[in-house]
Amino acid sequence: GAVVSQHPSRVICKSGTSVKIECRSLDFQATTMFWYRQFPKQSLMLMATSNEGSKATYEQGVEKDKFLINHASLTLSTLTVTSAHPEDSSFYICSVGGMWGAGRSTDTQYFGPGTRLTVL
Amino acid sequence: GDSVTQMEGPVTLSEEAFLTINCTYTATGYPSLFWYVQYPGEGLQLLLKATKADDKGSNKGFEATYRKETTSFHLEKGSVQVSDSAVYFCALHKAAGNKLTFGGGTRVLVKP
Repeated sequence: GAVVSQHPSRVICKSGTSVKIECRSLDFQATTMFWYRQFPKQSLMLMATSNEGSKATYEQGVEKDKFLINHASLTLSTLTVTSAHPEDSSFYICSVGGMWGAGRSTDTQYFGPGTRLTVL
Repeated sequence: GDSVTQMEGPVTLSEEAFLTINCTYTATGYPSLFWYVQYPGEGLQLLLKATKADDKGSNKGFEATYRKETTSFHLEKGSVQVSDSAVYFCALHKAAGNKLTFGGGTRVLVKP
């Protein structure tokens, strides 16, 4: 399968600061990237879908100004949590899809290892 | 809207036992179906998939068959190992919207 990395893997920050999380596709060009949030012992909640070169599409209830998504290239998407507060503490996971090339399926998403954000 | 329902866990098994995790879905059209596995502290890994009715996905000893008549995609493994301890997610994908819809996840604990 495809290889997706996230950086950092863990981050602890003070309330009110902003945190940037990077998601990289290492071995292919991803036209679409997805950002999910996962609370302890719960399923994944889709936050937004980003397409390279265009604005992200946010799911209902997700604050666009708080969770800034940039997908400037086919290999990199970033999620910035602005003015983070303790309730933003969570496990954030990105995935990539919409790929092309031999053996790649457009219906399959490949996930990064996740970033655990703790806001004090 | 589309939805996926999985059996609630945790499921606790002894090593070499038979594992079944039930998954049913509600969706219009013809979704693709997936099982993902999440090990502690990690992201999701694709375990297997099926794209049309009666397809069987298989990987690492796990199998699941796309049953359109019962709208199900149950995951099975004949002999589990301690290393299979993880959370398993059933999901569906439809081309329209290009989104994955996840079930709630089932935690599996395999004891030696």
